[in-house]
Amino acid sequence: SYVLTQPPSVSVAPGQTARITCGGNNIGSKSVHWYQQKPGQAPVLVVYDDSDRPSGIPERFSGSNSGNTATLTISRVEAGDEADYYCQVWDSSSDSYVFGTGTKVTVL
Amino acid sequence: QVQLVQSGAEVKKPGASVKVSCKASGYTFTSYDINWVRQATGQGLEWMGWMNPNSGNTGYAQKFQGRVTMTRNTSISTAYMELSSLRSEDTAVYYCATSHDYNALDYWGQGTLVTVSS
Repeated sequence: SYVLTQPPSVSVAPGQTARITCGGNNIGSKSVHWYQQKPGQAPVLVVYDDSDRPSGIPERFSGSNSGNTATLTISRVEAGDEADYYCQVWDSSSDSYVFGTGTKVTVL
Repeated sequence: QVQLVQSGAEVKKPGASVKVSCKASGYTFTSYDINWVRQATGQGLEWMGWMNPNSGNTGYAQKFQGRVTMTRNTSISTAYMELSSLRSEDTAVYYCATSHDYNALDYWGQGTLVTVSS
């Protein structure tokens, strides 16, 4: 089955840039979605189709995808960005969604 | 506005079944697939499967095949996820979600905690 690997944690100072990677075999050929999840809450879609932002999501959130790595970038990080982040793709070989392992972003 | 409202928390014994409901409002229920995702405490998100509310067609993650059943009642815009042969490892929050505006899961239910304990 298709595996998506994320770093367990990323720490960043307020105002700096956080980059969260999502590694998968030839992930650049797939559409990647990113979700933010705060404690006790349902996930929220922050980026879809590699780099598009849903309405209401700040421009500080951006995404890219190429080769074997997709990246979610959070610019000008704020305390409210502290959360778990998950990448997701549709794996056509198994006809199933796959989530990444998740990354906890800590704002120092 | 699009809303998915799930049923309340459940406590089940090992070997039993649980059926979680997800009531949709604010859109045409039969127009968008419903997905189910679960999350054990302190763990990541795990996709369980999808259902087309119009046709009733389903697709399940291999891990859950034979143990999960997704159904719907279109007259009350409600989707259901039933998981059988419960074990302690099934203790988790179960979410329903749909792709309404975008090609991703953009609307989620509030989650339903299912606890499996003897």
